[in-house]
Amino acid sequence: KQEVTQIPAALSVPEGENLVLNCSFTDSAIYNLQWFRQDPGKGLTSLLLIQSSQREQTSGRLNASLDKSSGRSTLYIAASQPGDSATYLCAVKQVGGGTSYGKLTFGQGTILTVHP
Amino acid sequence: NAGVTQTPKFRILKIGQSMTLQCTQDMNHNYMYWYRQDPGMGLKLIYYSVGAGITDKGEVPNGYNVSRSTTEDFPLRLELAAPSQTSVYFCASSYWDTAYEQYFGPGTRLTVT
Repeated sequence: KQEVTQIPAALSVPEGENLVLNCSFTDSAIYNLQWFRQDPGKGLTSLLLIQSSQREQTSGRLNASLDKSSGRSTLYIAASQPGDSATYLCAVKQVGGGTSYGKLTFGQGTILTVHP
Repeated sequence: NAGVTQTPKFRILKIGQSMTLQCTQDMNHNYMYWYRQDPGMGLKLIYYSVGAGITDKGEVPNGYNVSRSTTEDFPLRLELAAPSQTSVYFCASSYWDTAYEQYFGPGTRLTVT
């Protein structure tokens, strides 16, 4: 059974710092990995999608890497801002049928606080 | 283009009542999903649909039912609500399955008392 773990559970940093969020997964048979942002009381906003054949994806100040063989992904946020404060979730879409079909398996998230 | 919309935003139910959570997407996506998110936890898949008329169970389907009569709509029905169904419910959609992003609605916060 796929399990996704995110470390740290919470992170508080001063504005301007570069930071790294970690995501690990137990089953490397995945189609892709997706990073989301969730603001309090809101839905999920997709940040980056990395296909299993890719090593990284970039969008603005965000860079996500994927090492499928070791079951790890990192989300790098450059020059953090207070507006980046949110919960960050990673999710893997695994290969397989039945109840696994199309299913995203989520980590519990990292709560990020960027203070001025 | 509204994306994925969900109604209602909030609802309080008494034990044993029933309700339908509505989900609509205007992106002509084939795949739609229902997840629930419990406090401090990741999301878990309840049901999914690969197209109109086709639905299947996810990992936590008990106590729920779905239908998909059109490409756009994927309602989730709760029968005989129980306190264990207190959660935030998210609907999502994707154009196809494997290589495509899932887009999420804003969620419905449900409390069963």
